[in-house]
Amino acid sequence: AQSVTQLDSQVPVFEEAPVELRCNYSSSVSVYLFWYVQYPNQGLQLLLKYLSGSTLVKSINGFEAEFNKSQTSFHLRKPSVHISDTAEYFCAVSRDQGAQKLVFGQGTRLTINP
Amino acid sequence: NAGVTQTPKFRVLKTGQSMTLLCAQDMNHEYMYWYRQDPGMGLRLIHYSVGEGTTAKGEVPDGYNVSRLKKQNFLLGLESAAPSQTSVYFCASSQIRGALYGYTFGSGTRLTVV
Repeated sequence: AQSVTQLDSQVPVFEEAPVELRCNYSSSVSVYLFWYVQYPNQGLQLLLKYLSGSTLVKSINGFEAEFNKSQTSFHLRKPSVHISDTAEYFCAVSRDQGAQKLVFGQGTRLTINP
Repeated sequence: NAGVTQTPKFRVLKTGQSMTLLCAQDMNHEYMYWYRQDPGMGLRLIHYSVGEGTTAKGEVPDGYNVSRLKKQNFLLGLESAAPSQTSVYFCASSQIRGALYGYTFGSGTRLTVV
């Protein structure tokens, strides 16, 4: 069975500092990879995804993630965070060819300090 | 606003009681999902449906039942609630090959079983 590991449960950073949220997956076959964000007291929202093609994918609010097949990783980065980025971030993977369902990681709580 | 609506938003049950959580979507999505979210464990799939009249088990189906009698509704039932079912429950929906297009999540139901 495939699994997703988010290596950090909590990441505190200062505003305008860079951040990296780590995600590793276990799968020997092709996968689709996703990052979702959950703001306080809300449901999850899709942040970005890798399906195929360029291994670097970007979101509209400055986040980016790079698919690294050899290291089975899909780390999320932002060069300069804002208070409004405070949220929980979930990495997810879909392996089945029908792409019917996602397996989520444990989540990383990103806290931005002023 | 279009989206996924979950009712109720909060509920407290006594051990052994039953209840039904309702999920409704107005986007004509084929796929619907029920996840539970627990601290440090991310989201785990309970049951899902790939179309009206169909259901399938996810990762943690025990103690839950579901029905999809109408395309827009997906019901999650607890026949005899247990404290271990205290959690936040999220419903989501998506188009065919749902993982590729992203899920639309509801805002969650916080359930406490005492």
